[in-house]
Amino acid sequence: GESVGLHLPTLSVQEGDNSIINCAYSNSASDYFIWYKQESGKGPQFIIDIRSNMDKRQGQRVTVLLNKTVKHLSLQIAATQPGDSAVYFCAENMWGYSTLTFGKGTMLLVSP
Amino acid sequence: DVKVTQSSRYLVKRTGEKVFLECVQDMDHENMFWYRQDPGLGLRLIYFSYDVKMKEKGDIPEGYSVSREKKERFSLILESASTNQTSMYLCASSAGQPNTEAFFGQGTRLTVV
Repeated sequence: GESVGLHLPTLSVQEGDNSIINCAYSNSASDYFIWYKQESGKGPQFIIDIRSNMDKRQGQRVTVLLNKTVKHLSLQIAATQPGDSAVYFCAENMWGYSTLTFGKGTMLLVSP
Repeated sequence: DVKVTQSSRYLVKRTGEKVFLECVQDMDHENMFWYRQDPGLGLRLIYFSYDVKMKEKGDIPEGYSVSREKKERFSLILESASTNQTSMYLCASSAGQPNTEAFFGQGTRLTVV
């Protein structure tokens, strides 16, 4: 398998539990945030995004929370499944800039 | 289904070789990016391009160059490969308007021996 998961913070949960993955972002001027999921051997895939004029956004089984006061982002996964096992990255973007800045990632391990 | 395609999944090259990594996107995106991904360091931006023949250095451009002759294609060039360029290379693209997500290719695992 890929070695991208080495040296990463790891969250281990049981199937069916709710998972919370946290991310501290660096730039107070960032106004757009994304969560990506990277499975072993694959490129990152978009999960959900949120703009800075919101503090919560929900998708299917996932919720992103944004706290601009403390520059903190979280991803909540409801009823976690073994297929959710992956590395999760947060990314931030400033208005007018094309590039995303990525966090280091968190590995989520889901046991059946 | 939108797609970013990298030409190789795995490559093994010798030190000193000139290496080309190719990336093609079918979404008519203005922006294209090359990242490298290493354990413990996350994704680091090497170069990006916001239009044909335009390029900007990212955080770690040393030892690399890029080419964008057509909108859909963005090439990463290692002028003289070295062992410290052994890594996973990820290509991505995004639309030109602000605050849009980037779509990634499947990655190329490059080993320089």
